[in-house]
Amino acid sequence: EAEVAQSPRYKITEKSQAVAFWCDPISGHATLYWYRQILGQGPELLVQFQDESVVDDSQLPKDRFSAERLKGVDSTLKIQPAELGDSAMYLCASSFLSGYQETQYFGPGTRLLVL
Amino acid sequence: AQTVTQSQPEMSVQEAETVTLSCTYDTSESDYYLFWYKQPPSRQMILVIRQEAYKQQNATENRFSVNFQKAAKSFSLKISDSQLGDAAMYFCAYRPNYGGSQGNLIFGKGTKLSVKP
Repeated sequence: EAEVAQSPRYKITEKSQAVAFWCDPISGHATLYWYRQILGQGPELLVQFQDESVVDDSQLPKDRFSAERLKGVDSTLKIQPAELGDSAMYLCASSFLSGYQETQYFGPGTRLLVL
Repeated sequence: AQTVTQSQPEMSVQEAETVTLSCTYDTSESDYYLFWYKQPPSRQMILVIRQEAYKQQNATENRFSVNFQKAAKSFSLKISDSQLGDAAMYFCAYRPNYGGSQGNLIFGKGTKLSVKP
């Protein structure tokens, strides 16, 4: 069964350093999402792509976060510089947009710890 | 603002018994979707069940069923014949439908379900 792939699974970094996360969605899925999940909370959307275009990045802290999906397939989320409050799980999800029947499929996440 | 509230941070159930997880939401929209997602420890989140707001009939998926009360803005999940593999975080989520253009998923804080053998 096809799955959303993410790497790395775990990342430890020091504050002020740069970090990058990678996501490979399920083949054929045009829509890709990045979520941040703080411990004890539900996921919150950071950015949504439709193919290579950003559909919604209203919750993305653009002073330090950036996201790209250059060829409309895999995607990278970057944080520079990382801050202590960025420690969280970063989830990627993808969907084959099919109207109201759309289902988002989630990857295993990247757990980030900023020291 | 649209919000999702899960008032039970943790729940416990005996294997083979039934448990109900609560969820309430706040919205002024009339057309939306509701979901329950399961997130097992160190594993990816998966969709358990979905409910369209315009449907009066409660959704069911095998041992999982919902009690959707639109007027009360309540959307509880019932797990029957609980199994050890049901142990996980369960998230209730809401998604508005803006005339065919869908809004973003809004999640509650989750309920951690433990299953006792």
